[in-house]
Amino acid sequence: SYVLTQPPSVSVAPGKTARITCGGNNIGSKSVHWYQQKPGQAPVLVVYDGSDRPSGIPERFSGSNSGNTATLTISRVEAGDEADYYCQVWDSSSDHWVFGGGTKLTVL
Amino acid sequence: EVQLVESGGGLVQPGGSLRLSCAASGFTVSTNYMSWVRQAPGKGLEWVSVIYSGGTTYYADSVKGRFTISRDNSKNTLYLQMNSLRAEDTAVYYCARNAGGLDFFDLWGRGTLVTVSS
Repeated sequence: SYVLTQPPSVSVAPGKTARITCGGNNIGSKSVHWYQQKPGQAPVLVVYDGSDRPSGIPERFSGSNSGNTATLTISRVEAGDEADYYCQVWDSSSDHWVFGGGTKLTVL
Repeated sequence: EVQLVESGGGLVQPGGSLRLSCAASGFTVSTNYMSWVRQAPGKGLEWVSVIYSGGTTYYADSVKGRFTISRDNSKNTLYLQMNSLRAEDTAVYYCARNAGGLDFFDLWGRGTLVTVSS
């Protein structure tokens, strides 16, 4: 089955740029989606199809995907961005949806 | 308002059964792909099952043969029948929509907690 690998944690100072990676075999050939989850809340889609944002998501959130790594970039980080972030793909070989293990973003 | 509301969670003994419901409003369940995703305490997200608009279903290996996803079009509600429950099935269960058959989840419910323990 397809495996997505994320770093357990990323720390960033307010106003700086956070980059959260998601590794997978030839992930650049897949559509990657990102979710933000704050404690006690359901996940929220923040980036889909690699780099598109749903309505209501700030332009500070962006994504890229190439080779074996997809990246969620959060510019001008705010305290309110502190959350867990998950990448996700659809594995066409099994018709299964796959999530990465999640990355806890800490705003220093 | 477009929303999903789960119910049916609770405490169940190992080997027991439980049926979760997910009531949808503001859109039609039967014209969308609908999934269940779970999250064990302190852990990450795990996809559990999907039902396509045409009725085809798929399951994660961890629940295949024990869980059954279904829907009631007249009630616009999604279900997850969970049998032979194990301690490792303890989690918050979310229902989620894959709008238009796309491969991401654009709408989530608040979740319902299932605890499997004696």
